Order: sequence, then structure tokens, then C-alpha cells
Amino acid sequence: DAGVTQSPTHLIKTRGQHVTLRCSPISGHKSVSWYQQVLGQGPQFIFQYYEKEERGRGNFPDRFSARQFPNYSSELNVNALLLGDSALYLCASSSNPDRSYNEQFFGPGTRLTVL
Amino acid sequence: AQKITQTQPGMFVQEKEAVTLDCTYDTSDPSYGLFWYKQPSSGEMIFLIYQGSYDQQNATEGRYSLNFQKARKSANLVISASQLGDSAMYFCAMRTSGTYKYIFGTGTRLKVLA
Repeated sequence: DAGVTQSPTHLIKTRGQHVTLRCSPISGHKSVSWYQQVLGQGPQFIFQYYEKEERGRGNFPDRFSARQFPNYSSELNVNALLLGDSALYLCASSSNPDRSYNEQFFGPGTRLTVL
Repeated sequence: AQKITQTQPGMFVQEKEAVTLDCTYDTSDPSYGLFWYKQPSSGEMIFLIYQGSYDQQNATEGRYSLNFQKARKSANLVISASQLGDSAMYFCAMRTSGTYKYIFGTGTRLKVLA
């Protein structure tokens, strides 16, 4: 079975541009979460979607937005890119975030560089 | 405020020896879960072990065990019989009930020496 997939693998953008990152969860998983991992730090929670609804949002500006499609894949959009948005963006899928034990499976990440 | 603290930026261990990676957490929620993840240089986060706040026994998964001390709010990861392939970043994370986000610590970089 395929794991969580993310595209693209790497991306280089310039300040002010926008970017769209994509994630496909494990088959059967209905929840997708997005994390930003700046070099040398732990992942920071951005969004979680479950059954196409936003269930949680971290402390990120409105430049960050996301959505989940009927097939449970997800897109993360970032507008007006800043140098500080350079990071590894991780997507994680899980089956049911309402369960107390809800293991998340992470994708390989998209490394975004903003010049 | 909910927080995960990992105080060891880097650790070295000799191959075949055991190593303990420290993690303390802070939450006022009585229901929570604690997770450890391994992140190799490739970047992908690999789930290692889980401990629920109401679990009576410490979690174990193969060479990984979790030393859960609830009163001290610590959840240390013990890796037995270290292997060269264990060299990676290790992150402790917490999820409390009623929230959908996982809070991660800053990580510990483990280097296994031959």
C-alpha cells in the first residue's frame, strides 16, 4: 500500500509569490494535517482537515490556507511568500482524529525555499 | 499552556549500547497521548511509540520503550542495543483530548558510533 505522498519534493520561489503544495493521504484515511518545520526545529502545526472540514488551525497568518477534496487529498496554499516561509512542509494522514489514540503517518515533505 | 521540552540537543551512543532520550511535557488536560518520532536525514517522520495518559504500563515496541513517569510529566524514550541506523533526529510530541494538533519538541539528534 502506498504511504502518504506529497508533491512537489522541492520548490524554489521568490518573495511575494504564492505556492501550492499537495498531499495524498493513505488509502482509507480521511484526515490530513499540515506542519511547517523550520531548519533545526520541531514541526509546527498549521491545519488539520477531517472529512473535508477544517478541524484545527495553528498560529499562522491568513496567508496560509488549505482545503481537502472529496477524495481526501489536500492542498496547502501560501500567498505573499516571505523569506521566513522557507521550511520543510510535512503532511500527515490519519484515520480518525476523534479517537484518543490517533497515529499520524507522515509524508516525505516538500522543501520550500523562498529567495 | 501545552508544551514539550527536549533538553538534549545532541547525544552520542556506542553501537549496541542503550540510550535514553529525555522528554518532559506540560498540560493541564488529564487525557493526552505522547508520541515519539524518528526523522532521518531524508526528512520523513517515522512513528516509533505511543503512550496514553491512562495507560497503566509503559509502552514498548521492539527495541523502543517509553519510560512514562506521570507525576514528573516525563516520557523518556529508551533505545536498547543501538544500531548505526538509529542515527537521526528524535522528536517527542503530545496531543491532548479535544484538540487536533500535535505539539512537538525541538528534537534530539542521536549519533550512534561504531
